[in-house]
Amino acid sequence: ETGVTQTPRHLVMGMTNKKSLKCEQHLGHNAMYWYKQSAKKPLELMFVYSLEERVENNSVPSRFSPECPNSSHLFLHLHTLQPEDSALYLCASSQERRPDSPLHFGNGTRLTVT
Amino acid sequence: GEDVEQSLFLSVREGDSSVINCTYTDSSSTYLYWYKQEPGAGLQLLTYIFSNMDMKQDQRLTVLLNKKDKHLSLRIADTQTGDSAIYFCAESIIGFQKLVFGTGTRLLVSP
Repeated sequence: ETGVTQTPRHLVMGMTNKKSLKCEQHLGHNAMYWYKQSAKKPLELMFVYSLEERVENNSVPSRFSPECPNSSHLFLHLHTLQPEDSALYLCASSQERRPDSPLHFGNGTRLTVT
Repeated sequence: GEDVEQSLFLSVREGDSSVINCTYTDSSSTYLYWYKQEPGAGLQLLTYIFSNMDMKQDQRLTVLLNKKDKHLSLRIADTQTGDSAIYFCAESIIGFQKLVFGTGTRLLVSP
C-alpha cells in the first residue's frame, strides 16, 4: 500500500464526457503534483500545488483543470478530452523546500479517451 | 536547458551486474534520483544522491556521480528477475522540488 492513493486505476471516457481523477496522500506532505506519462516520452510535469496554491502550470490545455482543496487531496477534472490525452496520469507528493524530500508517487490512473 | 538522457533498453542475465547510465544538463541540480517502475504501477524511489557526493551504496545498489561530465549511473549487483522494470533517472531543479525525468531504461533480466 503506497502512501499516495489514486482512483480510479483505469478510466475509459468519450471525448464529450466529464470525469475527475482523485489523489490522496497520507504522508503529511505539503506539495502535490500531477504528471502525465505517455509512451516513449519523458514524464511531463503538468501542475504543482504547494500549500494548496498552484505554483506551476506547464502550458497544460484548459480541458485539464486541477483542484487542491487541502494538502492531502488533489483532483484533476477532465472535459472534452482528445484521443492524444490517453496516458497514465501520476500523482505525487513531497515536502516542499526540503531538497532531500523526494517525490512519492501513486500507482496512477490509466486513462483511455475514445 | 533541462534535459535528462538515458539509453532505452538493457538486457542482462540473472546473477550478473547491471549498469544503467544517465546524463543530465543542469549543473545546478542539487539531488539526483533513481526511480523504478514495474508494470501497472507508479514510480518507486530507489535511491538518491546529493550532488556533492561521488558515490552512494545501498545494499545491492551503487550510485556513481561524475559531476564534471554530468553523468550518473546505477549499478545493481546480482541482478534478479524481479529487478526487471523501467528505471528512471531524475534531477532536481534548484529552488523548488521539481524533478526532470529521463525517458527511462527498460531492464530485462533473463534466467
